Amino acid sequence: GAVVSQHPSRVICKSGTSVKIECRSLDFQATTMFWYRQFPKQSLMLMATSNEGSKATYEQGVEKDKFLINHASLTLSTLTVTSAHPEDSSFYICSARDTSGSLNEQFFGPGTRLTVL
Amino acid sequence: DAKTTQPPSMDCAEGRAANLPCNHSTISGNEYVYWYRQIHSQGPQYIIHGLKNNETNEMASLIITEDRKSSTLILPHATLRDTAVYYCIVSMNTGFQKLVFGTGTRLLVSP
Repeated sequence: GAVVSQHPSRVICKSGTSVKIECRSLDFQATTMFWYRQFPKQSLMLMATSNEGSKATYEQGVEKDKFLINHASLTLSTLTVTSAHPEDSSFYICSARDTSGSLNEQFFGPGTRLTVL
Repeated sequence: DAKTTQPPSMDCAEGRAANLPCNHSTISGNEYVYWYRQIHSQGPQYIIHGLKNNETNEMASLIITEDRKSSTLILPHATLRDTAVYYCIVSMNTGFQKLVFGTGTRLLVSP
């Protein structure tokens, strides 16, 4: 099946710094990618929909100036957590839909674990 | 909000069939039923999806009731590696349609 990668897989940063997470679709093009956040023992929470060449659509309660999303190409979306604080520590997961085939499946990346000290 | 209801946890003996139920009584006519699973500290893995007919692939079978208000995911011969959280999601099958995750079912497969 199609592969979605994320980089880095794990990052530790100091409070107040910014962290960029990359999401790539490796063997298909994705006009739309999605960003999720998951706290321990909780379900995935959708943060935003990333659209290639246009602004991201954020879910209610998600600060767009805090979580900057850039979908610069059909295979790359980035999430930047600006001025990170310990409460931003979480598991961040991206996904992308492969719309080239009939199944129209959505594939998920392996996740990025962010720890803010 | 998620539009599905699943039991929080289930147990299954290794080698036996695991039947995971899902209620989606408010599903609309053009929405599909998707199943994903998440093994600890990994991204969700696609399992199967369907609209109204039963579906089968190499991983599982999906049985959807005739009124489409509920479905069952069947893992025919569960293994220890099937221990995971299983999510049932309803969504339209378009490129921009987001998937909203509920709380899922934590399946524990034991020897």
